[in-house]
Amino acid sequence: EVQLVQSGAEVKKPGESLKISCKGSGYSFTSYWIGWVRQMPGKGLEWMGIIYPGDSDTRYSPSFQGQVTISADKSISTAYLQWSSLKASDTAMYYCARRGGYPALDAFDIWGQGTMVTVSS
Amino acid sequence: EIVLTQSPATLSLSPGERATLSCRASQSVSSYLAWYQQKPGQAPRLLIYDASNRATGIPARFSGSGSGTDFTLTISSLEPEDFAVYYCQQRSNWPLMYTFGQGTKLEIK
Repeated sequence: EVQLVQSGAEVKKPGESLKISCKGSGYSFTSYWIGWVRQMPGKGLEWMGIIYPGDSDTRYSPSFQGQVTISADKSISTAYLQWSSLKASDTAMYYCARRGGYPALDAFDIWGQGTMVTVSS
Repeated sequence: EIVLTQSPATLSLSPGERATLSCRASQSVSSYLAWYQQKPGQAPRLLIYDASNRATGIPARFSGSGSGTDFTLTISSLEPEDFAVYYCQQRSNWPLMYTFGQGTKLEIK
């Protein structure tokens, strides 16, 4: 079964660092881009960035450039999203999602279950 | 940056009725448009890619159409499980970017 399994919910204080993960299985992890999507409470979906685990080519939405870092470790089929200094406004559900292969190159066909990040003092 | 505008924000219909959801792009996205369904407490699920192709396992009552700047998701006869929030999403190549619409909530009338 093709799936993405994300790490568990996190509760952090402002200024703390955090790295959440997304582990792929059931397919060739290095052959598909993995994207990250934010969903703030009660709001819509926002694309943050995307990484190709095969060579770690990474692209960011201008809205998130410099705010987060996306990385991947292909040896363990895992992608990461990290913050160096969290803010209360980072409180959200974060999803990883696999960009589809041909012909569905414009869409995310497999999604992780989401990781809830709560930042509060 | 391409902006996607979905309408209506909320659509109130009854089971068995036909639902028509709209997504308009601020500039042409060719056919690089996808539709997702999201139910409360769940991750989004891909319904349609390339504007009109159903994803694996998606029932035939879901169909997509359009190209350029105007796109439509149609649900031919609503089932109880179809009441959810629907998002459109586009991909642009240079630079590589993805954008979501703000969503349409399909609620039971």
